[in-house]
Amino acid sequence: QQQVKQSPQSLIVQKGGISIINCAYENTAFDYFPWYQQFPGKGPALLIAIRPDVSEKKEGRFTISFNKSAKQFSLHIMDSQPGDSATYFCAASKTSQGAQKLVFGQGTRLTINP
Amino acid sequence: KAGVTQTPRYLIKTRGQQVTLSCSPISGHRSVSWYQQTPGQGLQFLFEYFSETQRNKGNFPGRFSGRQFSNSRSEMNVSTLELGDSALYLCASSFGTGGYNSPLHFGNGTRLTVT
Repeated sequence: QQQVKQSPQSLIVQKGGISIINCAYENTAFDYFPWYQQFPGKGPALLIAIRPDVSEKKEGRFTISFNKSAKQFSLHIMDSQPGDSATYFCAASKTSQGAQKLVFGQGTRLTINP
Repeated sequence: KAGVTQTPRYLIKTRGQQVTLSCSPISGHRSVSWYQQTPGQGLQFLFEYFSETQRNKGNFPGRFSGRQFSNSRSEMNVSTLELGDSALYLCASSFGTGGYNSPLHFGNGTRLTVT
């Protein structure tokens, strides 16, 4: 019940296209859903996050869509650029039990072809 | 503001040895969390410290331990190293309890190789 399932494992998108990464969770007590971006040799960096009382959050070219009833959330990257090539992780946590205890998805390796 | 600093960046140890990893959080951050990252298991939570107290712990054996000092700096110790402990160990800090208003900021990790 603590799992977060992420798909696809890898994704190739043309420059200017839309990249979509999906995550599903089981624990309905999760109330914090961040996305992290990781480049080789670096630690994960927070990209964008959402709470379950909101169905969508947009920051620049990055949008999280959240479907509470389906227990799914996704990351959309609009106008994808070669610099977006990285590994993306979705995560979830229960703030009442320590929001630092993030449960991560397995990651998606995104490649943007120029 | 300086980010989360982890030392050393790379370590090579032999099975059975012990190792200590160090983490300096962002200035003003009082919470430090540790994660293990491996290709097979992904990112897994080890433990979290706040004001020198362990507040949360993941599902790792007792060989994995940590502590936090009064200046919020933290160390992680792994005793009796096993080959499976080879991983990237990531430290993350946050201002408060984490979550939407005080997200985790990760360092670049310590790459531990056990031979």
